[in-house]
Amino acid sequence: EDQVTQSPEALRLQEGESSSLNCSYTVSGLRGLFWYRQDPGKGPEFLFTLYSAGEEKEKERLKATLTKKESFLHITAPKPEDSATYLCAVQASSGGSYIPTFGRGTSLIVHP
Amino acid sequence: DAMVIQNPRYQVTQFGKPVTLSCSQTLNHNVMYWYQQKSSQAPKLLFHYYDKDFNNEADTPDNFQSRRPNTSFCFLDIRSPGLGDAAMYLCATSREGAPGYTFGSGTRLTVV
Repeated sequence: EDQVTQSPEALRLQEGESSSLNCSYTVSGLRGLFWYRQDPGKGPEFLFTLYSAGEEKEKERLKATLTKKESFLHITAPKPEDSATYLCAVQASSGGSYIPTFGRGTSLIVHP
Repeated sequence: DAMVIQNPRYQVTQFGKPVTLSCSQTLNHNVMYWYQQKSSQAPKLLFHYYDKDFNNEADTPDNFQSRRPNTSFCFLDIRSPGLGDAAMYLCATSREGAPGYTFGSGTRLTVV
């Protein structure tokens, strides 16, 4: 069974204090790993897709990396507007491969 | 812009009064999903349509039903909402063979 575990559950940072969110996964062959941002009361907003170990993607202050067991979302010099819940999901390359498995998310609060 | 649109954004219904949530997409994706998300939890898949084929998750209550009259539209019907059904309901779409999912903004359901 595919599993996704995100840590920490909640993270409080001061503005400018860089940190990383973790997404550990177990999947029978990885088709893709996805990071989403979710603001309160809204649907998840797509951030990145990673396909293979060693891959990295960047968008503004965010950088996502992938290994064979986990992914990190690095946040460099965060701003209060980066406050949100960050969801990780994986898509397997076998079986019901189009069904994603989500983690519970990391709630990030950035204080000014 | 191609997108996934959910209506309404907020829905208040009475205990036991049937309610229908709607989702439309302009992406021409063949797979549509309905998720239930409660506070601080991962989105929970209720069911999905692969083209016209309906796929129900084993633990989705019978109280929840869905219709997909055409490629663009999908409906979630809650026959007799209980207080425990109050949640955010998310619609998502994907295309066979392509990784990734697009979410709507969600419908926040309140049961009074």
